[in-house]
Amino acid sequence: EPEVTQTPSHQVTQMGQEVILRCVPISNHLYFYWYRQILGQKVEFLVSFYNNEISEKSEIFDDQFSVERPDGSNFTLKIRSTKLEDSAMYFCASRAPVWEKLFFGSGTQLSVL
Amino acid sequence: GDSVTQMEGPVTLSEEAFLTINCTYTATGYPSLFWYVQYPGEGLQLLLKATKADDKGSNKGFEATYRKETTSFHLEKGSVQVSDSAVYFCALRTWYSGAGSYQLTFGKGTKLSVIP
Repeated sequence: EPEVTQTPSHQVTQMGQEVILRCVPISNHLYFYWYRQILGQKVEFLVSFYNNEISEKSEIFDDQFSVERPDGSNFTLKIRSTKLEDSAMYFCASRAPVWEKLFFGSGTQLSVL
Repeated sequence: GDSVTQMEGPVTLSEEAFLTINCTYTATGYPSLFWYVQYPGEGLQLLLKATKADDKGSNKGFEATYRKETTSFHLEKGSVQVSDSAVYFCALRTWYSGAGSYQLTFGKGTKLSVIP
């Protein structure tokens, strides 16, 4: 089965630093998403992206966050100035048109020290 | 707002035991309901889904029935195997957003360990 690939699997950064989390969605998918899960809490929606723009975002997705599809294959999440509370597992997902099935990557564990 | 509540884990069962993981939801409109599974080191995978009341989703021996009257979507399997050890997430999607929207609301996840 096709896969969504996320890199790196673990990222450690200092508070205030910028991080970029990378994802390669499935090649014929058009809808892209980021979710996150803080340890012990629920998986939370961050943002959806379609046709090179954000189609929906949650309250969590403030000005410190941005997403980009720089080259037609990668889909990135940038956190400009990380905070301790940004420590979480970040999941990328993609979906084909019409299909209701989301395909998730295995996640990037971000630790902010 | 929408929410999903599922039973706290971890759950430990012996092989061939019966599994139930409870899930209840609160939503406006008519949600679609899902169970996702995450095996160690992997991403979340769709296990099964149901899109309307009384629908039964099933896959790999797992079943769940969409019960509108009790706002529930409990996951069941008659005989679990060691390979079923994973974290199980109940989730919903409501349809009042646009076609491109796919905001899933998840529960916290229930870790299942099956011992031989």
